[in-house]
Amino acid sequence: GAVVSQHPSWVICKSGTSVKIECRSLDFQATTMFWYRQFPKQSLMLMATSNEGSKATYEQGVEKDKFLINHASLTLSTLTVTSAHPEDSSFYICSAPGGGRDTQYFGPGTRLTVL
Amino acid sequence: AQSVTQLGSHVSVSEGALVLLRCNYSSSVPPYLFWYVQYPNQGLQLLLKYTSAATLVKGINGFEAEFKKSETSFHLTKPSAHMSDAAEYFCAVSLYDYKLSFGAGTTVTVRA
Repeated sequence: GAVVSQHPSWVICKSGTSVKIECRSLDFQATTMFWYRQFPKQSLMLMATSNEGSKATYEQGVEKDKFLINHASLTLSTLTVTSAHPEDSSFYICSAPGGGRDTQYFGPGTRLTVL
Repeated sequence: AQSVTQLGSHVSVSEGALVLLRCNYSSSVPPYLFWYVQYPNQGLQLLLKYTSAATLVKGINGFEAEFKKSETSFHLTKPSAHMSDAAEYFCAVSLYDYKLSFGAGTTVTVRA
């Protein structure tokens, strides 16, 4: 089946630095990708929708200047956490629809730890 | 608005016992419903999904779920728990814009 990859799988950074997370659809094209954030022992919360060729749309309460999303091609979306702080430490997961409302391919997630 | 509510944040069962995880949904449109499992520090794995076909849906690893419109429910069951079923389980509903809205999750522990 279709595969979505994420890189890196985990990253540790210092407070104030920026971190980029990549989400790739390996064997299909994804005009739309979703970014979720999951805090420890909590559910997944949708952060934003990444659209190839246009600006991302952010969910209410998500700072678009802090979480920069770029959908550079039909197979790559990137999430950059700018000026990261310890409260940004979380598990970030991306997904891509598989052509219908009934199919969603999830990446394996990226664990971000900000010291 | 669409949403799901998972009743019970933690379920503990004995190995070999029935696993029952509850999920209720609210949706203004015909829902697509999903159950996912997540093991520690891993991504999501799809267990099963309801997409308006058969109301009883069979999934992987012996899990099944029944869609009941009258009760707005989509409860997940497994007749006999195995130690490997210990994980976090999420119910989710799909919106027309392909977004998924997740429940709060239920942690399953299995006692030997």
